[in-house]
Amino acid sequence: AQTIHQWPVAEIKAVGSPLSLGCTIKGKSSPNLYWYWQATGGTLQQLFYSITVGQVESVVQLNLSASRPKDDQFILSTEKLLLSHSGFYLCAWGRISNERLFFGHGTKLSVL
Amino acid sequence: GEKVEQHESTLSVREGDSAVINCTYTDTASSYFPWYKQEAGKSLHFVIDIRSNVDRKQSQRLIVLLDKKAKRFSLHITATQPEDSAIYFCAASNRVGDNSKLIWGLGTSLVVNP
Repeated sequence: AQTIHQWPVAEIKAVGSPLSLGCTIKGKSSPNLYWYWQATGGTLQQLFYSITVGQVESVVQLNLSASRPKDDQFILSTEKLLLSHSGFYLCAWGRISNERLFFGHGTKLSVL
Repeated sequence: GEKVEQHESTLSVREGDSAVINCTYTDTASSYFPWYKQEAGKSLHFVIDIRSNVDRKQSQRLIVLLDKKAKRFSLHITATQPEDSAIYFCAASNRVGDNSKLIWGLGTSLVVNP
């Protein structure tokens, strides 16, 4: 069975500090991987997606970057956090040739 | 750009009643329409989907209707229970077998009152 793990579960960070969020998928090779951001109030925004190691497509950058260093790992990061980065970050994976997405438990980020 | 609109931002029903959440889409080429559920403080999970080759699909208490002419699809939850309380997101895609092109609605917060 496939499992998706996100870390950390929650972060409280200062404006201007760096950030790194991680996501690991086990039990599935070569998944499509996604980062979504959810503002307080519920709006979902796709940020990045990756179909293979080393390849990341940006949908909306929001002064964030993403990398896929391994087949099962997706990293979201920034060197300088803004207040507007606060929210809920969701990692998701999908199978090739299938539309369904499977979401991780999410990381709640508060930027103060 | 293409959009998906969810018409009800909040919906409150009594336990046992039916709840209906409506979405419309702008891309006439849309062919896949999933629904996801997000319980308070938790992540999203898939609940049901429909493809454009059918106009109705049912899974237990969930029914999805698709009206391609009106570019509208809806989620019907029958015999609602308190555990149905959650935010429901609709989405649409014009790419068969491609999970990278989903366009999402803004979500509907459903409250089922005991």
